[in-house]
Formats: sequence, structure tokens, C-alpha cells
Amino acid sequence: DGGITQSPKYLFRKEGQNVTLSCEQNLNHDAMYWYRQDPGQGLRLIYYSQIVNDFQKGDIAEGYSVSREKKESFPLTVTSAQKNPTAFYLCASNERGTDTQYFGPGTRLTVL
Amino acid sequence: AQSVTQLGSHVSVSEGALVLLRCNYSSSVPPYLFWYVQYPNQGLQLLLKYTSAATLVKGINGFEAEFKKSETSFHLTKPSAHMSDAAEYFCAVSRSGGSNYKLTFGKGTLLTVNP
Repeated sequence: DGGITQSPKYLFRKEGQNVTLSCEQNLNHDAMYWYRQDPGQGLRLIYYSQIVNDFQKGDIAEGYSVSREKKESFPLTVTSAQKNPTAFYLCASNERGTDTQYFGPGTRLTVL
Repeated sequence: AQSVTQLGSHVSVSEGALVLLRCNYSSSVPPYLFWYVQYPNQGLQLLLKYTSAATLVKGINGFEAEFKKSETSFHLTKPSAHMSDAAEYFCAVSRSGGSNYKLTFGKGTLLTVNP
């Protein structure tokens, strides 16, 4: 089955530690996205990538970093510079030139 | 710049009653509009989307939405609510620019269905 996988489902980290969230897709989509979701805030765009080896900052990129070395993978690192990292993180993808995004199941990050 | 406003962060209906979730948009260009549904601790699933082909859009699970340009609205409706419809619903507008499509989401409306 084609789809997007995110791992792990739940992640706990101590304050001050960097943590990397995984996102893999086998849909052969060129574009991938990372969103952060907080209660009552909707989804906010962190980073996006339209093609391998290229990515752009979204609306709330501070304290986050990404890489896009392979078409199917778009990992997100939450750094210690992110002031309030506890949130639900969603990865999405779409075919280049289309607008319908497909979402993964999400990773809930809790920083203790 | 495109934006979306969802009126009502929480809507409660009885099973079998009409569901109406409101979405108003702001866009400087003809918009592409979407409704997504999210069940607890899961990702988002596309319900339906408007891309100018027809103003009344039918989606999955019996939902539909009507695009009204004069009111800049894209409200989501379902004639008869089912317990399984309880979820959070997000309206989104596409920010297009060449081949670069990004979505701007509303803050979501939590739908509760009472037996």
C-alpha cells in the first residue's frame, strides 16, 4: 500500500536535547511538508521541499532543521533552540504541480 | 495573502441532525479550497476540495460543501450526523505560486455528536 509513515508515534525527550522525527513516503511524490499542530491553533507550516536537495522555510522554521537527500525521505530535527517543542508534528506530501496534500499519521513529541 | 477563518471552535449536534461547519476565506486570486478531517491522534484525511469545476462539491462520508464567491464562504454540511462523524475538521486554502502549492489552514472545528 502506498502512503506516508511517521515514526515514532510518541516521542519523549529531555529539554535541551535535539530530536529527529522520521517521515517516509512511497507515493513517488516530489513535494513534502512538515507541519506543527497545537490545540486550537490549526496547522502551521515549518518547512517544505519541492525537490530532492532543496527545501524552504515555512511560517515557523526557527528552531527546526530538515534535509532532503532522498525523494522518499524528509526528516525533521527539532533543535534545542526551539522554545516550546511539545506538539503534534505532521508530515505531508503531494505530486509536484498539484495541490492536494496527503498526510502521515503524525508524531506526538513531548519535551520533559 | 490567503487566509481562512473557521467560525466556531466547537460544534455539538445530535445524532441524525444537520451538520454545518462554517469556513470563510480571503484570497487575492481564485482559490482552491479544501476540507480535511482528523480523528484523535491521527493524521488528516481529505474530505473534499473545490477547484472551480463546480460550486457544489461532494466528498466522502456524505459530506458536501458549497463555494459561494459573493460570501467568500465554503461551508461544510451533512444532512444527518452519525456518531462516527465526531472529529476535528479543518478548512484550508491553497497558496499557489507556479508549481509551489502551500496550504493555509483554519484553526479547526471540533464536532461532537450526541446520542
